[in-house]
Amino acid sequence: NAGVMQNPRHLVRRRGQEARLRCSPMKGHSHVYWYRQLPEEGLKFMVYLQKENIIDESGMPKERFSAEFPKEGPSILRIQQVVRGDSAAYFCASSPDRDYTEAFFGQGTRLTVV
Amino acid sequence: DAKTTQPTSMDCAEGRAANLPCNHSTISGNEYVYWYRQIHSQGPQYIIHGLKNNETNEMASLIITEDRKSSTLILPHATLRDTAVYYCIVRGETGANNLFFGTGTRLTVIP
Repeated sequence: NAGVMQNPRHLVRRRGQEARLRCSPMKGHSHVYWYRQLPEEGLKFMVYLQKENIIDESGMPKERFSAEFPKEGPSILRIQQVVRGDSAAYFCASSPDRDYTEAFFGQGTRLTVV
Repeated sequence: DAKTTQPTSMDCAEGRAANLPCNHSTISGNEYVYWYRQIHSQGPQYIIHGLKNNETNEMASLIITEDRKSSTLILPHATLRDTAVYYCIVRGETGANNLFFGTGTRLTVIP
């Protein structure tokens, strides 16, 4: 059973470009969480999704950021018009239900905005 | 958000027990204590969680004080691969959809 797969592992974007981060949950997991980690800081919650639904986006910036988890395919975190402050590691986690005790995190995508 | 207090860093000799403390004096009756670790910027890894009783699994033991205001994560025989940042997190069973990670304790296991 493959773990949570995130790709790409590293992503470089120029200011103003779009960044798309993908997260494939573990088999049988229908709940996905996205977190952002700035250098030397702890992870900060961004959004919680179930298949085709955004359940909690209280941690998402109001502009430029969006997330989806379609019926088929991976969850996507999309950042439009990236700025240098978006440079961070983005982690997703998946779980079979709304229970973090069985949640597994991916290895993250490191976004660098130049 | 910060419901827990942890030391910034700790050292532990290889082969010895590592005892990582956490204060959560404002914890409420239905909130659990979770521990995760993050090894060198990898994704966080779940270690253990508990409500009021002490817990043990293949990775660690969790000792929760009777008043539940503090807890200790114990790695019984630390290895170099246990060097990581350890996060103590308080969360309600049916509470927030997120985990608040804070800054954790950076544990360095010394050969």
